Amino acid sequence: SAVISQKPSRDICQRGTSLTIQCQVDSQVTMMFWYRQQPGQSLTLIATANQGSEATYESGFVIDKFPISRPNLTFSTLTVSNMSPEDSSIYLCSGGTGGLHTFGSGTRLTVV
Amino acid sequence: GQQLNQSPQSMFIQEGEDVSMNCTSSSIFNTWLWYKQDPGEGPVLLIALYKAGELTSNGRLTAQFGITRKDSFLNISASIPSDVGIYFCAGQLYAGGTSYGKLTFGQGTILTVHP
Repeated sequence: SAVISQKPSRDICQRGTSLTIQCQVDSQVTMMFWYRQQPGQSLTLIATANQGSEATYESGFVIDKFPISRPNLTFSTLTVSNMSPEDSSIYLCSGGTGGLHTFGSGTRLTVV
Repeated sequence: GQQLNQSPQSMFIQEGEDVSMNCTSSSIFNTWLWYKQDPGEGPVLLIALYKAGELTSNGRLTAQFGITRKDSFLNISASIPSDVGIYFCAGQLYAGGTSYGKLTFGQGTILTVHP
């Protein structure tokens, strides 16, 4: 299965600023996803990162707040824009082909 | 949207005991997956189930895809301290080839194993 590297692993950011999280896969995968997870809670899908086209966002998530790029089959970025303390969470990317998804280790974001 | 109900929310057991957790859905899935998440890490796939009624083992872990396609369970036998973590079920509507769907996760089961 694919190995996913995600960075940064953690960051502390000032409110009103933006943070871009990178996700690198060691092999080509058909699709990539971005999730948000509160500590000790379940994973909530933010969007599906589509290669060469706009991401598909889940209800409650919008492109202006969480712009996503996916320039090729091994790389994607998620930007958390105009951050507020409510954006403090763990952000995870996953990638997969054939239905099996591998996850990165996550980015723990704290907004102060 | 689809919802997965996972139970129990948490378990405190003694080393050597068996563990059972389950997930139920309001609608059917084509695939059921079970993940384990350790602190500071992303979820790691334990078992994938593709057919209704399928029973699959991975070492001390056994999982089954319910006949109705709306439920699944995971059993862990003879638990050990390294089994500690959060276990998630996940359902997927499509599988195979380049056409596969997003995952819907259960709420998770926090497992604590006392030596």
